[in-house]
Amino acid sequence: AQSVTQLDSHVSVSEGTPVLLRCNYSSSYSPSLFWYVQHPNKGLQLLLKYTSAATLVKGINGFEAEFKKSETSFHLTKPSAHMSDAAEYFCVVSEPGTGGFKTIFGAGTRLFVKA
Amino acid sequence: DADVTQTPRNRITKTGKRIMLECSQTKGHDRMYWYRQDPGLGLRLIYYSFDVKDINKGEISDGYSVSRQAQAKFSLSLESAIPNQTALYFCATSDFRGPGETQYFGPGTRLLVL
Repeated sequence: AQSVTQLDSHVSVSEGTPVLLRCNYSSSYSPSLFWYVQHPNKGLQLLLKYTSAATLVKGINGFEAEFKKSETSFHLTKPSAHMSDAAEYFCVVSEPGTGGFKTIFGAGTRLFVKA
Repeated sequence: DADVTQTPRNRITKTGKRIMLECSQTKGHDRMYWYRQDPGLGLRLIYYSFDVKDINKGEISDGYSVSRQAQAKFSLSLESAIPNQTALYFCATSDFRGPGETQYFGPGTRLLVL
């Protein structure tokens, strides 16, 4: 059975410092993994995704994530936080299921960026 | 114009009322989804549709129904609204191409059931 755990419900960083949002997953297959971002009063937007190619995935706005199979992790990082990064971030796992692929969302991590 | 639109954006209703949330898309995708978002729970799938003739229940379909009127339109109905259906509802679409299917989300409908 697949599941996804975001290890922190809230993360607070200062502007200009690194961001680390942690995600662990479990899957019976080789899953596809995603990070989505949700800004206030907006829908979710894809940041990046891993689909069994390069394990280090680069996304939009300077974010990247590394797929580590041995650790079943897919942590999201950014070298330097910007105020506009304040949002909620969702880690998502997708694996084969009935009729296609089954997608499970993590509970979300809210990122606060202090000036 | 937005690719995935939802109407209304906000709705207040009373217990027992029937309401409909609508979703339209201009992306030409076959697959459409309805999710609800509750604080601390992420998004949970209510219903999904792989094409106009295909409707499937998600993990939390009780109390909801859907209609796929056309490729571009997918409506969610609450037959008799109850307070624990207060949530943020999202419609999404995807163009299935195997692993790494990306979903495209609408802006959400905030529903309050009194």
